[in-house]
Amino acid sequence: EAGVTQFPSHSVIEKGQTVTLRCDPISGHDNLYWYRRVMGKEIKFLLHFVKESKQDESGMPNNRFLAERTGGTYSTLKVQPAELEDSGVYFCASSQSTGHYGYTFGSGTRLTVV
Amino acid sequence: EDQVTQSPEALRLQEGESSSLNCSYTVSGLRGLFWYRQDPGKGPEFLFTLYSAGEEKEKERLKATLTKKESFLHITAPKPEDSATYLCAGSGGYNKLIFGAGTRLAVHP
Repeated sequence: EAGVTQFPSHSVIEKGQTVTLRCDPISGHDNLYWYRRVMGKEIKFLLHFVKESKQDESGMPNNRFLAERTGGTYSTLKVQPAELEDSGVYFCASSQSTGHYGYTFGSGTRLTVV
Repeated sequence: EDQVTQSPEALRLQEGESSSLNCSYTVSGLRGLFWYRQDPGKGPEFLFTLYSAGEEKEKERLKATLTKKESFLHITAPKPEDSATYLCAGSGGYNKLIFGAGTRLAVHP
C-alpha cells in the first residue's frame, strides 16, 4: 500500500508570506495527525482529525495556523502569515483505528522562514 | 505535565557491541509506549508498542521492554544498518504522542 505522502518536501518562504502544506494519508485511515519538530526540540503534536472533524487541536500554536481535512481524505495545514519561529519539519501521520498498532508517518515538509 | 526523556542523546557502538537505550516517562494514564526509528530526511518508522509493565517485544536485533517508569530498547550485536535516531513516545488519555528528543545511534564496522 502507498504510504503517507507529504508535499512539498521543502519550502522556503519569507516572513509574512503564506504557505500551505499538504498531507495524503493512507487510504482508509480515518485518523490523521499533524506534528512538527522545531530546531533542537522534540517532535510535538499539533492536531488530530477523525475523518473530517477536528478531534484535538490542543497543540496548535496560535491562530496563524489553520488545518483542514475536506471530505475526510487529504489534509492541508496553512500558516498565514509565517513567522521565523515557524521554521521546522512538519510531519503528518495516519492510522486506521486509535493508532495503537502504530501510526504511519510521512517524510515531512521542511519549512524555512527567512 | 506529561514528559518523555531519552538517554543517552548519542551513542557510538562498534559492530557487534550490544547496548541499551533508555526512555523515562511520566505520562498520565499511559495507554501505550511507542518506539520509532528515524533515518535522516525521513519520517519516524514504527517499531513497537508496549502496553503494560513487564511486556517485551522483539524484532530482529531489537528488543523493547517496559516498566512502570521506563522503557529500554536493547540492541543485540548491532550492524551498521542499525544506525539511526531512535525515538520513544508515550500516548496518554488521548491519541496524541508525546515524544522524547531521541537517541542518535551510530554503529561502526
